[in-house]
Amino acid sequence: NAGVTQTPKFRILKIGQSMTLQCAQDMNHNYMYWYRQDPGMGLKLIYYSVGAGITDKGEVPNGYNVSRSTTEDFPLRLELAAPSQTSVYFCASSYAGTTSGDTQYFGPGTRLTVL
Amino acid sequence: AQKVTQAQTEISVVEKEDVTLDCVYETRDTTYYLFWYKQPPSGELVFLIRRNSFDEQNEISGRYSWNFQKSTSSFNFTITASQVVDSAVYFCALSEADSNAGNMLTFGGGTRLMVKP
Repeated sequence: NAGVTQTPKFRILKIGQSMTLQCAQDMNHNYMYWYRQDPGMGLKLIYYSVGAGITDKGEVPNGYNVSRSTTEDFPLRLELAAPSQTSVYFCASSYAGTTSGDTQYFGPGTRLTVL
Repeated sequence: AQKVTQAQTEISVVEKEDVTLDCVYETRDTTYYLFWYKQPPSGELVFLIRRNSFDEQNEISGRYSWNFQKSTSSFNFTITASQVVDSAVYFCALSEADSNAGNMLTFGGGTRLMVKP
């Protein structure tokens, strides 16, 4: 199993550009999550999904959009990139949700810089 | 609201020393789950341990041990005989059984551990 994979690993965007961060998992997990990690900080939840076709906002959703058309894929869309979105983005997945205390497994991260 | 505090932002030790990383949490839920993750310099997040609120037994895995004390809302992590490969940022995290918590895993700010040879 590849686990959770993310592409690209690095990206530099100009202010106002858009991009999609890709995330895929091959563990047949129902739940998928997007987090951002700012320098020297812990992770904050952006969006999550409990299954195909169902998504919900996390703690810091502004400026982002998600979709979940399949169990395996959970792309994160940035529209009109801003310097405040410079961060490392992590995708994670789990079989059950956090209310069950299930462990989340993380991808390698995407380092995004907005100039 | 749930909260995790890791008061030690950075710790430096010499190889073979023992080191304890502190984690204090806040929650109103009676059922909750605590986690530790390791983030080595390569940047990925590696799961270390999960503990539920009803299991206060301490856990030992090789050189790693965890001390969970509900009375002080703490879930501390000790590395015995530290090695250079233990150098990383360590995160403590909390999730609640309450569905109103929004499927959130709340992270502490992390503790950067530097083990010098």
